[in-house]
Amino acid sequence: QVQLQEAGPGLVRPSETLSLTCTVSGGSIGSYYYHWIRQSAGKELEWIGRIYTSGSTNYKPSLKSRVTMSLDTSKSQFSLRLSSVTAADTAIYYCARDADSTGDWFDPWGQGMQVTVSS
Amino acid sequence: SYELTQPPSVSVSPGQTASITCSGDELGDKYVSWYQQRPGQSPVVVIYQDTRRPSGIPERFSGSNSGNTATLTITGTQTMDDADYYCQAWHARIAVFGGGTKLTVL
Repeated sequence: QVQLQEAGPGLVRPSETLSLTCTVSGGSIGSYYYHWIRQSAGKELEWIGRIYTSGSTNYKPSLKSRVTMSLDTSKSQFSLRLSSVTAADTAIYYCARDADSTGDWFDPWGQGMQVTVSS
Repeated sequence: SYELTQPPSVSVSPGQTASITCSGDELGDKYVSWYQQRPGQSPVVVIYQDTRRPSGIPERFSGSNSGNTATLTITGTQTMDDADYYCQAWHARIAVFGGGTKLTVL
């Protein structure tokens, strides 16, 4: 059973770059889209973007100028970089995968990583 | 940008039927997924592609989608169903989530 696990700093200074990695275990990275989704204290889920195993990406337009996603298939990992962070970027960050080839829904999800932006 | 609208809260007594709606422009033309999230846990899908239920999800969970509204229905609600529920759909290659509905079972 495939599992995802986020990792990275839990505290990031304002104006710096948030960097997170998601490791895929229990199976091959396969041919799927991998996603980053965040959840602020207000509890609303926000999709950040996705990366396919070919390396192609799609980002939420409002975040596109600050987001970079990458993939390292040799390590079964994919990464998120979010630049110029502010307090508004404080959230739980989840990685997730397409459940199947239709790409309509997300499963599995990682356990989530709390990231706080503060000086 | 595309928006999905959910009621902030729904209350139901145990054993009764709970309905949570999700509204969006021409939502019936898109596939909708529903996610359950208990406190401190990651979201878990309970319905995908409008009406399909993943393995391991109880039969009391069902979904529908037509026109501008998708509905998650929980028949014979149990106290363990007390959680937040989020609808999700794709629009122009962007995943969109509803604001979430807090289901209280009491």
